[in-house]
Amino acid sequence: DAGVTQSPTHLIKTRGQHVTLRCSPISGHKSVSWYQQVLGQGPQFIFQYYEKEERGRGNFPDRFSARQFPNYSSELNVNALLLGDSALYLCASSATAFQPQHFGDGTRLSIL
Amino acid sequence: AQKITQTQPGMFVQEKEAVTLDCTYDTSDPSYGLFWYKQPSSGEMIFLIYQGSYDQQNATEGRYSLNFQKARKSANLVISASQLGDSAMYFCAMRERATQGGSEKLVFGKGTKLTVNP
Repeated sequence: DAGVTQSPTHLIKTRGQHVTLRCSPISGHKSVSWYQQVLGQGPQFIFQYYEKEERGRGNFPDRFSARQFPNYSSELNVNALLLGDSALYLCASSATAFQPQHFGDGTRLSIL
Repeated sequence: AQKITQTQPGMFVQEKEAVTLDCTYDTSDPSYGLFWYKQPSSGEMIFLIYQGSYDQQNATEGRYSLNFQKARKSANLVISASQLGDSAMYFCAMRERATQGGSEKLVFGKGTKLTVNP
């Protein structure tokens, strides 16, 4: 079975631009979470979606938004990019909102 | 306040030996879960092992075992018979409720870089 898939794998943007990152969960998983991992740190929670509804939000500015589609895939959008947004963005899926999370390979976002 | 503490930025171990990676946590919730993930240089987070706060026995998964000491609030990962492929970053994480929406999120430590020497 396919694991969590994320696209693109790498992305380079400039300050002020916006970006959309995509995630397809493991088949049958209805919950998707997004994490940001800056260099040298552990991942930080951004959002969780379950059954297409936002169920949790971390301490991130309103420039960060997300949504989940009827097929349970998800998009993370970041507007007005800052240099500090450079990070590895990880998507994780789980069968429900409370089951162990399985991660994708991540999207490496670099802001110039 | 830091909720997950990993005090070892880096650890070295000889191939075929056992190694313990330390993790302490802080929570007032009587129901919680503790996880260990492995992150190779490629970036993917690989789930290794899970321990629930009410589990009576320490979790084991193949060469991985979790030394859970509830009173000390520690959840150390033990890797037996280390292999070269075990070289990676290891993260301890705790499941806690998100402040909004009633869901749960993972809170991660800063990680420990394990290097297995031949």
